[in-house]
Amino acid sequence: DAGVIQSPRHEVTEMGQEVTLRCKPISGHNSLFWYRQTMMRGLELLIYFNNNVPIDDSGMPEDRFSAKMPNASFSTLKIQPSEPRDSAVYFCASSFRSGFSNQPQHFGDGTRLSIL
Amino acid sequence: AQSVTQPDIHITVSEGASLELRCNYSYGATPYLFWYVQSPGQGLQLLLKYFSGDTLVQGIKGFEAEFKRSQSSFNLRKPSVHWSDAAEYFCAVGGNDYKLSFGAGTTVTVRA
Repeated sequence: DAGVIQSPRHEVTEMGQEVTLRCKPISGHNSLFWYRQTMMRGLELLIYFNNNVPIDDSGMPEDRFSAKMPNASFSTLKIQPSEPRDSAVYFCASSFRSGFSNQPQHFGDGTRLSIL
Repeated sequence: AQSVTQPDIHITVSEGASLELRCNYSYGATPYLFWYVQSPGQGLQLLLKYFSGDTLVQGIKGFEAEFKRSQSSFNLRKPSVHWSDAAEYFCAVGGNDYKLSFGAGTTVTVRA
């Protein structure tokens, strides 16, 4: 079975540029999560989708961040404009069923983002 | 809201020795508990989970964890570590919603 697939694996870009991170969840999973991992703050939940609908975006840092899930097999996280403090590893995770955390989340390998 | 504390930031263990990683959680009801492992440059991989029933749970790669309600703990153990177990380990707790709260992680170094 294919796991959660994220692209790109690495992204280096200059401040002010638009960055788009992509995620393909595991087929059949209807919950999708975007996380950010930094040394200072650890793993932070940015946004949670259930059945392609954003349920909780309270973790999105500011308006520069946006996320979409146009269908069950694809999601994007966009940063526009990017800033050096956005440098982090961004993970996408998916799980089966919804509303409860008793279903384990399956993580992609992440996108390591560096904003110069 | 639930929370997790992993008291040890870094542990060094000799290859072949036993390993125990501590995890303490805070949650008012019966929690859902997980241990994940993250190798360098990789995502988080699920090692094991506890939902209910037997408080000693077995996972992949020879790991096990024991849920102790009285101590609000869910410690991870392995009887004999291999060099490939060097990684960062995260404990996570969930409740009756979709959120998982992750600990800060424990980095394990294995020396020959």
